[in-house]
Amino acid sequence: GAVVSQHPSRVICKSGTSVKIECRSLDFQATTMFWYRQFPKKSLMLMATSNEGSKATYEQGVEKDKFLINHASLTLSTLTVTSAHPEDSSFYICSAPQVQGNYGYTFGSGTRLTVV
Amino acid sequence: AQSVTQPDIHITVSEGASLELRCNYSYGATPYLFWYVQSPGQGLQLLLKYFSGDTLVQGIKGFEAEFKRSQSSFNLRKPSVHWSDAAEYFCAVGGSGGSNYKLTFGKGTLLTVNP
Repeated sequence: GAVVSQHPSRVICKSGTSVKIECRSLDFQATTMFWYRQFPKKSLMLMATSNEGSKATYEQGVEKDKFLINHASLTLSTLTVTSAHPEDSSFYICSAPQVQGNYGYTFGSGTRLTVV
Repeated sequence: AQSVTQPDIHITVSEGASLELRCNYSYGATPYLFWYVQSPGQGLQLLLKYFSGDTLVQGIKGFEAEFKRSQSSFNLRKPSVHWSDAAEYFCAVGGSGGSNYKLTFGKGTLLTVNP
């Protein structure tokens, strides 16, 4: 079945630094990638939608300059948390929809970001 | 706008007992409905999904869900719970294409299983 590989699974960084999270579709082409953020004991909140070759669409309240999303190819989407602060600590998950064949959504395994 | 309500934040059942997790949705057209399970610190695993056809959907790990359009519900059931079922369960609704196919999640129901 379709697989989305997300890396890193865990990252600890210092305040003020930037962190890049990658999601790769391994056996299918992901023209769209959804990026979610999950706070402890909370649901998944959609942050943005990336589309290959075009600018990402951000949900209301999400800072575009802080959460940079790039979808440079049909198999790779990246989320960069810039100038990270402790309040950015969270669990980030990507998801690629499959609109043909076995319709559904394939999720990455998530990235636990801790900013110290 | 689409939305999902999971009324129960936390449910505790005994191992071997039956389980029902509630989910109500709001969506302007025929919804695509999903149930996911998440273990602590892990990603999401799809339990089952409904697009059309038979309103009783069978999933993995012995779970099933029934789509009731009149009640805007998609409740998840399991006849006999195992200790390994303890996890967070999320109901989600999505659409069929374009901007409609982003998933909206409920707040989740935490399942605790007592021995």
